[in-house]
Formats: sequence, structure tokens, C-alpha cells
Amino acid sequence: GEDVEQSLFLSVREGDSSVINCTYTDSSSTYLYWYKQEPGAGLQLLTYIFSNMDMKQDQRLTVLLNKKDKHLSLRIADTQTGDSAIYFCAVPSGNTPLVFGKGTRLSVIA
Amino acid sequence: GAVVSQHPSRVICKSGTSVKIECRSLDFQATTMFWYRQFPKQSLMLMATSNEGSKATYEQGVEKDKFLINHASLTLSTLTVTSAHPEDSSFYICSARTGTGWFIPGNYGYTFGSGTRLTVV
Repeated sequence: GEDVEQSLFLSVREGDSSVINCTYTDSSSTYLYWYKQEPGAGLQLLTYIFSNMDMKQDQRLTVLLNKKDKHLSLRIADTQTGDSAIYFCAVPSGNTPLVFGKGTRLSVIA
Repeated sequence: GAVVSQHPSRVICKSGTSVKIECRSLDFQATTMFWYRQFPKQSLMLMATSNEGSKATYEQGVEKDKFLINHASLTLSTLTVTSAHPEDSSFYICSARTGTGWFIPGNYGYTFGSGTRLTVV
């Protein structure tokens, strides 16, 4: 089945850029997703990228997709303290539910 | 946009009792709902998939008699934790989708509830 891997922790200073990386195994995924989870809350769809795109930018968020290497990244520009959360990479495997990475806990230091 | 309402957000119950968690799609028909469990500082673990009007499909290792899932309508699915024990304490999240085929984000692909924190004492 699909396997999604992420680094578990990232710490950055306020105002710097954050880059969260993700690798996956199933190359047939049409969409790849990034979700944000704040403490005690559900998941919020942050952004997504269609598999025929290399890059997608949405305000402070930039998603890069390298299909050859099966590598997905999320860059947050000008990281703010409100960005502190857990970020999940999620990939559908065929017609099955999303498979999530373990999540990257982003800590923003003021 | 698509909204999934999950209730309650927090519940504390005594060991041995049962707890029901509701997941409602407010502005779309959810043909399929997923129930996840999240342990502290860990990822989401899929527990079961339920299609409206059918029996739920449980993931390996999930006790179907303990975690009863009902998806009787296109807008409501419930998860009942029966005879709860402290080890069932966890964060439970539902997710709903509509239609079949590829999950298109703008077409209510996957929408998550806000989660339920269950504490069994």
C-alpha cells in the first residue's frame, strides 16, 4: 500500500521560511494534499497540487512536486507564530481513503 | 464550501459505558465517511470506511464489535465506542466525501470534522 514519510519536527524563527518535506510511494495519485492541524482541532485543508503540476503558489504557500522522485514539499514564506501546528502530507492511493504521513510539528520561535 | 460537523468535541465517560460520536455533512451528501483515530503526537489511523446504507469496512486490527459504525443516511454517520476502557481514550476524527472516482478538492473531495476528544476514566 501507499507509504508516506515526513520529518517529524521543524523549528524556525519568525519571519524565516519553513520547508516541510514529504515522500510517497504510489505514483498514481492524482492530487496530493497538505493539511494543517492546530492543537486539539481537526484537519484543515491547507493546499493541494494536481499531479501534472510541478509547482503551485498560493499567497505564502508554495508546493513543489517532483514526480520522478515522488517528493512533495510545502514552503511557508515569512513564517508567523500562528503557523505553529502539525502539517500532514496526504496522498490518496487509488480510490481508497487518504494515507497520511506522521505529520511535521512546526514550531515558530518569536 | 463543504462542512462536516462532528459532535461532541469533548467527552469524558466512565469505564464500561458507551459513547456515541456523530458526524454530519451539512451542505452535501456524503456517500462515504471515514473514521480515524489519532494518538497523541501521532498520525491519523484509519479505523473504518462506511458507505451509506452498507456495513462499514473495518481496517485490520480494529474491533468491529467495539467500534460500531452506522451510516444510515447520506448526511449522518455515527461511531459508538461500546464498553469503553481507558485505552480507548483518543482523538477521533471523521471525514466525508461525496461521489466516486478521484478526489477533487473543489468537489468536496475530503472534508474533515473537527474531532472528538474522548477520555475514559
